[in-house]
Amino acid sequence: AQSVTQLDSQVPVFEEAPVELRCNYSSSVSVYLFWYVQYPNQGLQLLLKYLSGSTLVESINGFEAEFNKSQTSFHLRKPSVHISDTAEYFCAVSDPNTDKLIFGTGTRLQVFP
Amino acid sequence: NAGVTQTPKFQVLKTGQSMTLQCAQDMNHEYMSWYRQDPGMGLRLIHYSVGAGITDQGEVPNGYNVSRSTTEDFPLRLLSAAPSQTSVYFCASSRTPEGYNSPLHFGNGTRLTVT
Repeated sequence: AQSVTQLDSQVPVFEEAPVELRCNYSSSVSVYLFWYVQYPNQGLQLLLKYLSGSTLVESINGFEAEFNKSQTSFHLRKPSVHISDTAEYFCAVSDPNTDKLIFGTGTRLQVFP
Repeated sequence: NAGVTQTPKFQVLKTGQSMTLQCAQDMNHEYMSWYRQDPGMGLRLIHYSVGAGITDQGEVPNGYNVSRSTTEDFPLRLLSAAPSQTSVYFCASSRTPEGYNSPLHFGNGTRLTVT
């Protein structure tokens, strides 16, 4: 069965520092990959997705993720974080058998001033 | 823009009580689903529906019932609450059932505590 691993449950970082949130998935077949963000006391929102084409995808608020097929990874990066980026980030993969999204366990990004 | 609306926001139940978590969306989405979010376990799919009158089980359906009589509403029923059902519950909808075709739109969640 398809699975998603987010290696870090919490990532503390100071404002304006770079950050990388790691995500690995298990499938060796073609998959679709997503990052969702959950701000405090809210539901999840789609941040960015990879379906096909360029392996580097970007969000409107400066995050980017790179699909690496050989390493089965889809890490999320931002070169300079803001306090407002404090949230929980979920990596997800579309299960090729069911078309349903399988979510990782989440990474809590805490940005300090 | 209401999007996906969940009620109530908080609920405390005693073991054995029943209740219904409400979910409504105003985007005319065919696909609706319920997830539970637990620390260290991420989001797990409970039940989903691909249209009015059609429901199916997800990863963790035991202890929960759903129905979909209209496109807009997708209530989740707990018939006999157990402490293991203490969780945060999210309703989500999307235009299509396939997870990749259109993004999931989530409600703000219902925090349920069963004592």
